[in-house]
Amino acid sequence: QSALTQPASVSGSPGQSITISCTGTSSDVGGYNYVSWYQQHPGKAPKLMIYEVSNRPSGVPDRFSGSKSGNTASLTISGLQAEDEADYYCSSYTSSSTVVFGGGTKLTVL
Amino acid sequence: EVQLVESGGGLVQPGGSLRLSCAASGFTFSSYSMNWVRQAPGKGLEWVSYISSSSSTIYYADSVKGRFTISRDNAKNSLYLQMNSLRDEDTAVYYCARGQLWFFVYWGQGTLVTVSS
Repeated sequence: QSALTQPASVSGSPGQSITISCTGTSSDVGGYNYVSWYQQHPGKAPKLMIYEVSNRPSGVPDRFSGSKSGNTASLTISGLQAEDEADYYCSSYTSSSTVVFGGGTKLTVL
Repeated sequence: EVQLVESGGGLVQPGGSLRLSCAASGFTFSSYSMNWVRQAPGKGLEWVSYISSSSSTIYYADSVKGRFTISRDNAKNSLYLQMNSLRDEDTAVYYCARGQLWFFVYWGQGTLVTVSS
């Protein structure tokens, strides 16, 4: 159950777009369309932003989008806003019937 | 409104035991799978365990298998995590999360477990 691989940090200016990658294997990300993305502000519980690769829960702005190619999933945030500054985690269902998270990416809005 | 409220965290010595609870309200608890997810201080999220709505299916992360036991009482709208043989590396905030297939829409506020002598 190795963690999915995410960049430790990304940054962007307000209004710009950023993409966070999440790399796994054919036993998790590449094998199932059960990739999710979570946003976590300091001291708060995680918030679901994307589920099943590219679906947005109600209430999540359409500035957030998800995709997947092979063993790598991606979260794109367009039109960056100050409140988007947070930690982001990807997760995937695995062939062992478990869930694995990525190590997390700290997004800084410059 | 969906609410998940964890309790039972605290300071415990290595090798000790602790039982976490999660009280659910605002939805039909018996219809949903539930999970425990933890986060060590300053670290990332780690999935811990899953239990199906009827308790018929249970899964654990390798890191806790054989030491932790997940259970639920649908009559009491409650989820539990019995943690035995605790180690320093089990120190974390433990969240209960309502499952929807393999993603988590609703999370509790978390309860801190500190394993230290």
